[in-house]
Amino acid sequence: DQQVKQNSPSLSVQEGRISILNCDYTNSMFDYFLWYKKYPAEGPTFLISISSIKDKNEDGRFTVFLNKSAKHLSLHIVPSQPGDSAVYFCAASDFPDMRFGAGTRLTVKP
Amino acid sequence: GAGVSQSPRYKVAKRGQDVALRCDPISGHVSLFWYQQALGQGPEFLTYFQNEAQLDKSGLPSDRFFAERPEGSVSTLKIQRTQQEDSAVYLCASSSDRGGNQPQHFGDGTRLSIL
Repeated sequence: DQQVKQNSPSLSVQEGRISILNCDYTNSMFDYFLWYKKYPAEGPTFLISISSIKDKNEDGRFTVFLNKSAKHLSLHIVPSQPGDSAVYFCAASDFPDMRFGAGTRLTVKP
Repeated sequence: GAGVSQSPRYKVAKRGQDVALRCDPISGHVSLFWYQQALGQGPEFLTYFQNEAQLDKSGLPSDRFFAERPEGSVSTLKIQRTQQEDSAVYLCASSSDRGGNQPQHFGDGTRLSIL
């Protein structure tokens, strides 16, 4: 059962523009949400997280939004840079169980 | 060390052999997790340790999979009588808290190929 879904396998954005990555979940018990970035042959690298008591968390160019009623999570990257090109995974946690989406490959074109 | 360290990076084994994968978490991290990642998918939870105690092993796919963390630091994931469907990347992660309010930090994984 896929409790966390990333419906866009890929996204291409021009450098300097906004990248928006989306994620949906089904389990209302999840209370902590994260985004990870992954390069080939490396493990996922933590980017940003949000607790279920918040609806927004910002860290530099990265902002995560949480809509609990819609069970929807999104990551905004602005401005996008070529170095942001990677696979992005969203994750949702009902500790200690953490579920991941299948990932979205972001390509930022110079 | 500065990050989570896993070894070996690559492991090739023949079907039926036993394998052991090692994880050295970030120093002082009480929580340790193992995940299995198939090609094109996100990581899937296998098991969780708090210090030396294995508190959740609900994700282990069969009784051929066994994990331990005897002294509360280094952990080993053992797979007995390997099958081709065990081929995957095995990721280890650690975090500093016990309650899930801190992010998990991942190693680079062990890519296991069963021939």
